[in-house]
Amino acid sequence: GENVEQHPSTLSVQEGDSAVIKCTYSDSASNYFPWYKQELGKRPQLIIDIRSNVGEKKDQRIAVTLNKTAKHFSLHITETQPEDSAVYFCAASILGGQNFVFGPGTRLSVLP
Amino acid sequence: SAVISQKPSRDICQRGTSLTIQCQVDSQVTMMFWYRQQPGQSLTLIATANQGSEATYESGFVIDKFPISRPNLTFSTLTVSNMSPEDSSIYLCSVRQGGGYGYTFGSGTRLTVV
Repeated sequence: GENVEQHPSTLSVQEGDSAVIKCTYSDSASNYFPWYKQELGKRPQLIIDIRSNVGEKKDQRIAVTLNKTAKHFSLHITETQPEDSAVYFCAASILGGQNFVFGPGTRLSVLP
Repeated sequence: SAVISQKPSRDICQRGTSLTIQCQVDSQVTMMFWYRQQPGQSLTLIATANQGSEATYESGFVIDKFPISRPNLTFSTLTVSNMSPEDSSIYLCSVRQGGGYGYTFGSGTRLTVV
């Protein structure tokens, strides 16, 4: 089955700096890769996703890149703000499939 | 995206008892999913609930421990049976958006077993 690894487990950055979180997956059949943000005590929320037919997707300060050959994808947050502090989860699945396999999460702290 | 109401939001239960968690969606969905998030951990799928059929359980989860009902296309329940402290977790229901978009999650039920 699919296995998703995520690094780093914790990340601290200064406000205004960039943050990068990397995930690798094992199942070459996976073709959909969402990222979720979970603030303390709240539900996970989808912030960006990418399908395997594209290599990069941007939405304002966040972007995701995908390298299908290497089976890894990354979340990039630019100009970080304190409200970006949260736990971020990557996931991998097959479009139309039932199960997302989530990475273990990255706790991002943006220091003022 | 779908709006999901989940209750209770939290509960403290005695070991050996059972708790039923309810999940209501504001639109009809074919599949509803139940996840567990242990303290400080990631999300793990417990089971997929389809209306009119038995739920499909993931490895490590069994129907006797986590019975699920799905009486219609907008509602599902998950029961955590014969609870032990190891069942202390956040339980989340979710639905998949159409067109292959990511899941929308309910607000979660924080369960503490004492």
